[in-house]
Amino acid sequence: GQQVMQIPQYQHVQEGEDFTTYCNSSTTLSNIQWYKQRPGGHPVFLIQLVKSGEVKKQKRLTFQFGEAKKNSSLHITATQTTDVGTYFCAGGYSNYQLIWGAGTKLIIKP
Amino acid sequence: NAGVMQNPRHLVRRRGQEARLRCSPMKGHSHVYWYRQLPEEGLKFMVYLQKENIIDESGMPKERFSAEFPKEGPSILRIQQVVRGDSAAYFCASSPRSTNEKLFFGSGTQLSVL
Repeated sequence: GQQVMQIPQYQHVQEGEDFTTYCNSSTTLSNIQWYKQRPGGHPVFLIQLVKSGEVKKQKRLTFQFGEAKKNSSLHITATQTTDVGTYFCAGGYSNYQLIWGAGTKLIIKP
Repeated sequence: NAGVMQNPRHLVRRRGQEARLRCSPMKGHSHVYWYRQLPEEGLKFMVYLQKENIIDESGMPKERFSAEFPKEGPSILRIQQVVRGDSAAYFCASSPRSTNEKLFFGSGTQLSVL
């Protein structure tokens, strides 16, 4: 069946360093969505990418969708303590089905 | 405009009891999804419902688990004869349409089975 692999599972960074998480699908996606879940919280939608090769920015966050629509990345520049949480990608395959990655937990080193 | 409302936030049950989790979607949303999350893990899809219909229950165990979304009232996820392995966070999400659109999540119900 369809799978979305997300790496790394954890990333420890110093405040001010960059952070990147990657998602790969075994098959072509119709779209990909990104969510953030703060510790103890619920997933909150960040963005949706639909077009091949699409790049979108939200302040310090840059989202990319691969040309083949099988992979995606989220890059955060100059991390801040407010960025702490787990970032999930979710790949869209059909009218409603989303396959979720396992998430990448961003940890800021003290 | 209230978001997705889930209750209770925390639910403690003894083994063998029943757990009922409620979810009221956002106003205007007729599509509801239930997910389960274990600590430090991702979201596992359980069931997708539209008003009065179960569209996809492929992620839900066949036994002891059931879900409904009646014409009036919230969506209910029901777990009968709970076991310790059912302990998890259960999230509900809603969307206005069936096509891949962003999901709005509730705050979740943390189920603890003693």
